Formats: sequence, structure tokens, C-alpha cells
Amino acid sequence: DIQMTQSPSSLSASVGDRVTITCRASQSISIYLNWYQQRPGKAPKLLIHSASNLQSGVPSRFSGSGSGTDFTLTISGLEPEDFATYYCQQSYSTPGTFGQGAKVEIK
Amino acid sequence: EVQLVESGGGLIQPGGSLRLSCAASGLTVSSNYMSWVRQAPGKGLEWVSVIYSGDSTYYADSVKGRFTISRDHSRNTLYLQMNSLRGEDTAVYYCARGSWTCDFWGQGTLVTVSS
Repeated sequence: DIQMTQSPSSLSASVGDRVTITCRASQSISIYLNWYQQRPGKAPKLLIHSASNLQSGVPSRFSGSGSGTDFTLTISGLEPEDFATYYCQQSYSTPGTFGQGAKVEIK
Repeated sequence: EVQLVESGGGLIQPGGSLRLSCAASGLTVSSNYMSWVRQAPGKGLEWVSVIYSGDSTYYADSVKGRFTISRDHSRNTLYLQMNSLRGEDTAVYYCARGSWTCDFWGQGTLVTVSS
């Protein structure tokens, strides 16, 4: 199975900050990388697919980049509702493994 | 509007069986790839199983031989039959549309395996 490693595992930030979360795959996955947001007690929500494609209805402050093994999720201007846990997931091969998550907390 | 509503979770003893259901509206279960993803308490997401539109299925190694994914076209419902349950199967189970890229999710149902 492909291993997905996110960093940092948690971070503290303030409203308005720019936040960057990275995800590294154990082998090349081209651009087959998704990002999900999960708020406490809620189901995951698809934010970005194919590394950089914003899912319909997701605010433009979210962006994704990368290819191969290294990927980045950026939130430009953190809003109160963005405090959540973010997961990357590879969709390159079976099974579609997730990263361990990155929790964004209020500073 | 797409809605996925899971049910069937609860407290079950180790070795027992449980069947989860995921009732869909706004989409046709039999025409879509559908998945089950779980999340142990305080832990991350773990993909469990997927069923493709041709009814081929895949399972995580951790559940292979114990869990069975299926669907009922007439009820527009996805199922997960879980047998020989273990403590490590304790989790919230989500159904979702898609195989690896899941764009619609249910609210989840909690399965607790404990004596």
C-alpha cells in the first residue's frame, strides 16, 4: 500500500493567517491526490481533487498544488469555520490510503 | 439534493455480526461507485470497502473475509455486512459516493465492539 505522510500533525493559527499543510506519498502518485476537511463530529468534506482542482462550492481561499510525491494544501486567510482536521488521500492505487491528518487549531 | 443516511450501528460483542445500511436519495446507488470508510475514536480515516457499478468489490486487508459490501437497487440502499467483529472494528462508519474520490458522505453510524 502507498503510505501518505502529512506535516505538521497539528498547528495553531489565527483568523486571517495563511496556513500550509504538506502531504508526501511513499511513491509517485502523479496528481491523484485529494484533500478533505473534517470538522469535529462531522463527516469529511471533499475540498480538492486531482491535487489542485477545487470541488464545487469550496471557497477560493483553499488551494492545492503538487505532483509526484509532494503536495501542499494552502488556506489563504483562515476563517473561523476552517478550524478543523485536514486529510490527504491518494487515489492512484487500491486502497486509497489517507494521511494521518493535520489539525488546525485556534491560537 | 444528495443525501446518504447510515443506520444499523450499535454495541455488539466480539465475534458478533452487524449489518449497516446506507439509504440514498438524490443519487442511484447501483449506478455509482460506493464506499464505506471508517474512523476509530480519536483516529484518522480508513477506507474499508468499495463496490463498483459492475458489482466488483474490494476490501481493506483488515476486513477481508469478514465484511461484505452489497446494494439493493429497489431500495436504493448500500449495505455492509460485518461478521466476526473485533474490538479494533470499533469506529464510526461512513458511506460515501465514489471509490477513492468521495464527494458525498453520510453522517456516519457508530459501531462499538465490546463485551
